Amino acid sequence: RKEVEQDPGPFNVPEGATVAFNCTYSNSASQSFFWYRQDCRKEPKLLMSVYSSGNEDGRFTAQLNRASQYISLLIRDSKLSDSATYLCVVNAEGGGSNYKLTFGKGTLLTVNP
Amino acid sequence: SQTIHQWPATLVQPVGSPLSLECTVEGTSNPNLYWYRQAAGRGLQLLFYSVGIGQISSEVPQNLSASRPQDRQFILSSKKLLLSDSGFYLCAWGWGAGQPQHFGDGTRLSIL
Repeated sequence: RKEVEQDPGPFNVPEGATVAFNCTYSNSASQSFFWYRQDCRKEPKLLMSVYSSGNEDGRFTAQLNRASQYISLLIRDSKLSDSATYLCVVNAEGGGSNYKLTFGKGTLLTVNP
Repeated sequence: SQTIHQWPATLVQPVGSPLSLECTVEGTSNPNLYWYRQAAGRGLQLLFYSVGIGQISSEVPQNLSASRPQDRQFILSSKKLLLSDSGFYLCAWGWGAGQPQHFGDGTRLSIL
């Protein structure tokens, strides 16, 4: 099983749509979770951290299900500028002393006018 | 605030030539530093990371090496580039302990 697995997409949605991305991770000891976005030919940028109770940042909502080792990202009212690849990221080693993150391969989203 | 600088943005090198990519971080001290490679259409692969000056951990056997001569400087090198070294090289910094990492703009390396 891959360490971090995402649906590669592509997802093509119209402006204003709601879209959801899912991600599963294999290391049950993982404790930190993030979503990054990466624009074409650019560096990944942190979109948001994912907290156990779920968290929201404007149109973006992230949720974590530790029992199922599952993370999700919901984007409401999609904008053209949301078009990017969304990367699910999990800390690699778990525990209190860890330095590495494991990145999923990403899900490509295209928002159409 | 912290910033990370990486250069050059684009590099075209012949097979067998040497490589040196440099990354510096400003606005913080003793960060963890990372080198990643992203091949076309693929995910991020961690190449090296460093938790302090002179401390380098290698993640995959390869043709590349890394050095950290100063606290906020991280260098990726090769003595002889291979065609398979082509890709998008990204430097990142972070606090570790499950904290997010922050990336430089990246260097797009093409080997001819």
